[in-house]
Amino acid sequence: QKEVEQDPGPLSVPEGAIVSLNCTYSNSAFQYFMWYRQYSRKGPELLMYTYSSGNKEDGRFTAQVDKSSKYISLFIRDSQPSDSATYLCASMDSNYQLIWGAGTKLIIKP
Amino acid sequence: EPEVTQTPSHQVTQMGQEVILRCVPISNHLYFYWYRQILGQKVEFLVSFYNNEISEKSEIFDDQFSVERPDGSNFTLKIRSTKLEDSAMYFCASSEALSSGETQYFGPGTRLLVL
Repeated sequence: QKEVEQDPGPLSVPEGAIVSLNCTYSNSAFQYFMWYRQYSRKGPELLMYTYSSGNKEDGRFTAQVDKSSKYISLFIRDSQPSDSATYLCASMDSNYQLIWGAGTKLIIKP
Repeated sequence: EPEVTQTPSHQVTQMGQEVILRCVPISNHLYFYWYRQILGQKVEFLVSFYNNEISEKSEIFDDQFSVERPDGSNFTLKIRSTKLEDSAMYFCASSEALSSGETQYFGPGTRLLVL
């Protein structure tokens, strides 16, 4: 089964809040996990990728993978209106194909 | 910063017509991909391409579709006889390698509308 599940939202939070975006996946063979940001009518832009379990931090963004529960998270600290976009999680299968979640629409209210 | 570019940004065509979507991958990348995203739906993998041949393709990528790298810079997706359901955003992506940890960088997409 090649599925990545993601709540489409929308998720609306006030500026400055911590945002938590989540995905679950079903294939325990997945090893690489990506978060992309997609602005309206634009291509996905890679934000972060992680290998296996653990955390990875880049500025205000933290990606977390828990392989035991097949759970992927992206945290955004001090959220800004410019963070408003659709966030897509993706996993890479053994054929190096990206398997995508549906994307969560995030709205940061000023 | 190098980026993937795609042309045209929008394409409107009549059902049954052929369309060619063009992509210029990042110059030192060797692996190329096409994805599509029907409005409101997930991004779907179409095909990957390496060393002038298709590496992988999905069930969506049937005989109506073809890909080509006609020269050292362009990577094209051809849809031979478009159908209404081909209307979608088509994204090209490229990566430096296929090995673990390498990531794919996406172009801005071509919005195809089939009437």
